[in-house]
Order: sequence, then C-alpha cells, then structure tokens
Amino acid sequence: GENVEQHPSTLSVQEGDSAVIKCTYSDSASNYFPWYKQELGKRPQLIIDIRSNVGEKKDQRIAVTLNKTAKHFSLHITETQPEDSAVYFCAASTGTASKLTFGTGTRLQVTL
Amino acid sequence: GAGVSQSPSNKVTEKGKDVELRCDPISGHTALYWYRQSLGQGLEFLIYFQGNSAPDKSGLPSDRFSAERTGGSVSTLTIQRTQQEDSAVYLCASSLVQNYGYTFGSGTRLTVV
Repeated sequence: GENVEQHPSTLSVQEGDSAVIKCTYSDSASNYFPWYKQELGKRPQLIIDIRSNVGEKKDQRIAVTLNKTAKHFSLHITETQPEDSAVYFCAASTGTASKLTFGTGTRLQVTL
Repeated sequence: GAGVSQSPSNKVTEKGKDVELRCDPISGHTALYWYRQSLGQGLEFLIYFQGNSAPDKSGLPSDRFSAERTGGSVSTLTIQRTQQEDSAVYLCASSLVQNYGYTFGSGTRLTVV
C-alpha cells in the first residue's frame, strides 16, 4: 500500500519568513495530493490540493509543488503569520473518493 | 446537512465496555471514511465506504472494531471490549465521488479508563 513520509516533524519560523514542508510517496499510481491544516483541538481542514497533471498550484500565500518523477511534493507558505501556527498534514490517494494516506504531520510554530 | 456531524463529541468508558460512535455525512456525499488520531499523532485509516460497494476494512486494527453504514448515509463505528489503547479521537470524513477532497467532522474523543 501507499506510504507517505513527511519532514520536518517540527518547524519554527519567525513571522514574515517562509516555511517549507516536504513529503514523499511510494505508490506511483497516486494522483491526488492534498494538504490539511489542523489547529489545536480542531478538525483537519483542506487548505490546498494538487493533481498529478499539474506541477504547481498557488493560492495567495500558500503553494504546492509536485515532482512525479521523484515522487515528492511540498507545501510552501510565504510571509508567515502567527495564525499559520498549526499541524500540517500531507496526503496522497490514487483516485476519486479513494482513501487518503496521510503523512505524520508537521507542527509549524510562527514566532513574533 | 451543512457539515459532517459526529456524536458524541466526548465519550468516557470503562475498559471492557462496548461503545458506538456515530457519523452523519454531508448530504449527497457517497464516500465515508473513519480515521483515528491518537494524542499528538497522525491520522490512521480505519475503514472506508463507497456507495453500495463492499467497504474497505483494511485499516481496522482488530476484530473488536466494526462499522456499518445504513442507507448509504449515517455510519456507526463500534468498538467492543474497549481497551486503554483505544483511547483516541475518532474522525469521520465524507466526500463526493467526483470530488477528491474530504470534509472532516469534529471527531469523537474516546477515553477508556
């Protein structure tokens, strides 16, 4: 089955700096790669996703890149703000309404 | 409904008792998923329902765990003879067949004492 590895497990950045979280996946059939943000005590919420026919996608301060050849994808957050502090999970799946396999999460702390 | 609804939000049970956790997905969502999240950990897949197809039970950790989905809507996750290691937040999510993304419920925090 699919295996998703995520690094780093914790990340501390100063407000205004950029943050990058990286994930690798094992199943070459995976074609959907979402990122979820989970604030303390809250449910995970989808913040951005990318499909395998696209190499990069941006939404305001966040972007995701995908390298299918290397089987890795990354989340980039620019101009970080304190409200970006949360746990971020990457995930991968092989098709519509298929189960997602999640990475182990990255705890991002944005300091003033 | 407007979102995925889970009940109860919190459940404390004695070791050895059975518990039932309920998930009410977004109306029209044909796919429903159960995940487990232990304190400070990632999301562990448990089971997945898609329409009338046989569920994918590959993530259930033991035969004490079972789930059903009635009428293609509400789902119940049952844990028999609960153990302390079952303590976790149980998250339900649903999605449209045409839409890759999940919407998660708020979860049920299960504590086995």
